[in-house]
Amino acid sequence: GAGVSQSPRYKVTKRGQDVALRCDPISGHVSLYWYRQALGQGPEFLTYFNYEAQQDKSGLPNDRFSAERPEGSISTLTIQRTEQRDSAMYRCASSLALGGSGYEQYFGPGTRLTVT
Amino acid sequence: EDKVVQSPLSLVVHEGDTVTLNCSYEVTNFRSLLWYKQEKKAPTFLFMLTSSGIEKKSGRLSSILDKKELFSILNITATQTGDSAIYLCAGNTGNQFYFGTGTSLTVIP
Repeated sequence: GAGVSQSPRYKVTKRGQDVALRCDPISGHVSLYWYRQALGQGPEFLTYFNYEAQQDKSGLPNDRFSAERPEGSISTLTIQRTEQRDSAMYRCASSLALGGSGYEQYFGPGTRLTVT
Repeated sequence: EDKVVQSPLSLVVHEGDTVTLNCSYEVTNFRSLLWYKQEKKAPTFLFMLTSSGIEKKSGRLSSILDKKELFSILNITATQTGDSAIYLCAGNTGNQFYFGTGTSLTVIP
């Protein structure tokens, strides 16, 4: 069956450019999470949505990062004026249950962002 | 500060050995602890634990949670080369999932 998909899989951009990363969750999954994972580290929470409502964005590192999920399905993580330190794997995960219930999440393959 | 700590950081064993991976957590409003296996791509879900003392088992893998001592272990018996991966645990606090840095397991033939 279809899992979580993310696009693009790889993105190389120049410093100062804006990038938009897309996540398509498993159909019917109500909660969607964004993580950033540096090499050799576990995923670091960024933000999550229940349906279209952003519930917690406390993990977003600064105001250059934003996320939306306007129709409660596909989500976009946008990074404005990218910096080299933004280079990482960005992963999205979705869950059948509302965020906070502790249900298992299913991860997408990630977008590898490189800022040059 | 909420945190999840895993140990050891890395482990190398021979096929057939049994391994125990540790995860300790300090999270407010703890709801559950999850284990994932991460190979080259996305982490794949293994277990979710919410109650103390109840072992969850899947084939050669098993896991248990101790909510009094705030830790969980993941056991893998009769290891195989296909078990080589990074094993992540995550504490769910209600709103957030806090991941440890993982244990890198290498099983050599």
